[in-house]
Amino acid sequence: DTAVSQTPKYLVTQMGNDKSIKCEQNLGHDTMYWYKQDSKKFLKIMFSYNNKELIINETVPNRFSPKSPDKAHLNLHINSLELGDSAVYFCASSRGTGDNSPLHFGNGTRLTVT
Amino acid sequence: GENVEQHPSTLSVQEGDSAVIKCTYSDSASNYFPWYKQELGKRPQLIIDIRSNVGEKKDQRIAVTLNKTAKHFSLHITETQPEDSAVYFCAASLDSNYQLIWGAGTKLIIKP
Repeated sequence: DTAVSQTPKYLVTQMGNDKSIKCEQNLGHDTMYWYKQDSKKFLKIMFSYNNKELIINETVPNRFSPKSPDKAHLNLHINSLELGDSAVYFCASSRGTGDNSPLHFGNGTRLTVT
Repeated sequence: GENVEQHPSTLSVQEGDSAVIKCTYSDSASNYFPWYKQELGKRPQLIIDIRSNVGEKKDQRIAVTLNKTAKHFSLHITETQPEDSAVYFCAASLDSNYQLIWGAGTKLIIKP
């Protein structure tokens, strides 16, 4: 049973398209995250939700819109895709706030924009 | 805000030798310091963490040391093996803070 699962694993699309990446966790965690990892491997946080409430919103273009229908799901929708959006996107979850519990990452979605 | 610097960016060691990766942080209030390992094509996974009330923590061949005065912490891997080849990330955060501040990563190469 995959604890944090995200789909799709690979996503190849053209510039200007709109795409979504889905994420679900079955760990009962309260907090979920989206990270972007570029070709240089740097991990950059994009968003964080706690119990469906947005708590971290880093400087990310507003073409990126997260949605959390419930605390087990955090989806990422990207409008008008650009070449620079090509990266691996990781979803993650953690137990909650204030206890610095470990992050559990999904297996990543490799997005390629052509 | 917090800033974490990680060195070296690439480290190549002979199998069986030890490897040390160092991180420095800027916010003296930071009190949680995890290390994540990311194998090629895989997801990052927590391998060890340390809190500021502890100076050292060991788990088999890996250990982390923390120097709060100097604001740096290090990952030590002894008797390195091929499966230790990966990118290692350090991070720092405050309690009651959702956000980890990440180092840039160290690519560890174990030479046979």
